Amino acid sequence: GIQVEQSPPDLILQEGANSTLRCNFSDSVNNLQWFHQNPWGQLINLFYIPSGTKQNGRLSATTVATERYSLLYISSSQTTDSGVYFCAGGDAGNMLTFGGGTRLMVKP
Amino acid sequence: NAGVTQTPKFRILKIGQSMTLQCTQDMNHNYMYWYRQDPGMGLKLIYYSVGAGITDKGEVPNGYNVSRSTTEDFPLRLELAAPSQTSVYFCASSRQGLSEKLFFGSGTQLSVL
Repeated sequence: GIQVEQSPPDLILQEGANSTLRCNFSDSVNNLQWFHQNPWGQLINLFYIPSGTKQNGRLSATTVATERYSLLYISSSQTTDSGVYFCAGGDAGNMLTFGGGTRLMVKP
Repeated sequence: NAGVTQTPKFRILKIGQSMTLQCTQDMNHNYMYWYRQDPGMGLKLIYYSVGAGITDKGEVPNGYNVSRSTTEDFPLRLELAAPSQTSVYFCASSRQGLSEKLFFGSGTQLSVL
């Protein structure tokens, strides 16, 4: 099956800083999604982005499908951005494979 | 819209007990999924359903059963609970498979002692 690798595994930022999270896939994926798991465990879908670039407020994501990676940009980070960020992707079937996550802590 | 609702939020089971985790969605989504998340890890797919009456195994189905009698409900049954099933369980749904956004419930934290 598809392997998903996320980097960095852990990240500590000062409030207001920018960051880039990366997701690499071992094979081509037809769908790619980014999720944020907040400190209370709730999983929120940030982006569905099989290719191209999307922006939502301070967050944006870019997927380069031909090179099998995706990037999540967080600008002007806030303490509420803390939590774990997961990327997930799959092939043509119904299996979405999750990466191990990037644990982000934003300090005030 | 309540979205995806899971009950209970927390549960402690003794080894060998059985229980059902409930999941319901009010978005009229065809696809529903059950994932488990072990501490410090990503999510793994247990079972999924593409519509009422249709279910299929995911990556880690052993020790679990599911049914999908209606579009709204997708319960997960644990038979003969084992300590290895201690985990957080998430139910999710999407309108049309993985070509659209996946929406998650708030999770059920299960401990088997």
